[in-house]
Amino acid sequence: AQSVTQLGSHVSVSEGALVLLRCNYSSSVPPYLFWYVQYPNQGLQLLLKYTTGATLVKGINGFEAEFKKSETSFHLTKPSAHMSDAAEYFCAVSDRSNQGGKLIFGQGTELSVKP
Amino acid sequence: EPEVTQTPSHQVTQMGQEVILRCVPISNHLYFYWYRQILGQKVEFLVSFYNNEISEKSEIFDDQFSVERPDGSNFTLKIRSTKLEDSAMYFCASRWDRENQPQHFGDGTRLSIL
Repeated sequence: AQSVTQLGSHVSVSEGALVLLRCNYSSSVPPYLFWYVQYPNQGLQLLLKYTTGATLVKGINGFEAEFKKSETSFHLTKPSAHMSDAAEYFCAVSDRSNQGGKLIFGQGTELSVKP
Repeated sequence: EPEVTQTPSHQVTQMGQEVILRCVPISNHLYFYWYRQILGQKVEFLVSFYNNEISEKSEIFDDQFSVERPDGSNFTLKIRSTKLEDSAMYFCASRWDRENQPQHFGDGTRLSIL
């Protein structure tokens, strides 16, 4: 069964530093890949997605992610962290063969940004 | 921008009681979903719904759970006889037709079972 692993349940960076949140998936056939962000007491907001085409995808708030098939990874990065980036980040996948498109989530990574 | 809305934001219910969680998906979306997140755990898929029927459900979605789209706008999740372990945040999501399109989530309903 498909699974998603996010390394590090909690990542702390200084304001202005690089943000790197890791995500690996398990399937041999690359799924559709998504990153969602959850601010306190809010729902999940889509940051970016990869479905096909260019492997480096840009999202909202300056985030981007790169799909690497050989590494079965879809890590999320941002060159310079801002205090407002503090939130929980979820990597999620959806099997291409599943028209219903259920999402399988990773455990989430809580990002803290220090001043 | 259109959004998914969920009511109530917080529901407190006695164990054994029935509860209905309500969602209004984005109007032109065709796929509808419920997920739950138990405190401290990952977001888990419960059920997907398309063309007025369940298209997929997880092992969590047992006979105590049901979903319904009673009219053209609402999408509900009913838990018939709640258990303590049903306490969680429940998220509704909707998606346009194509499977490569992202799901849009509501802000969730926090369900507390006493």
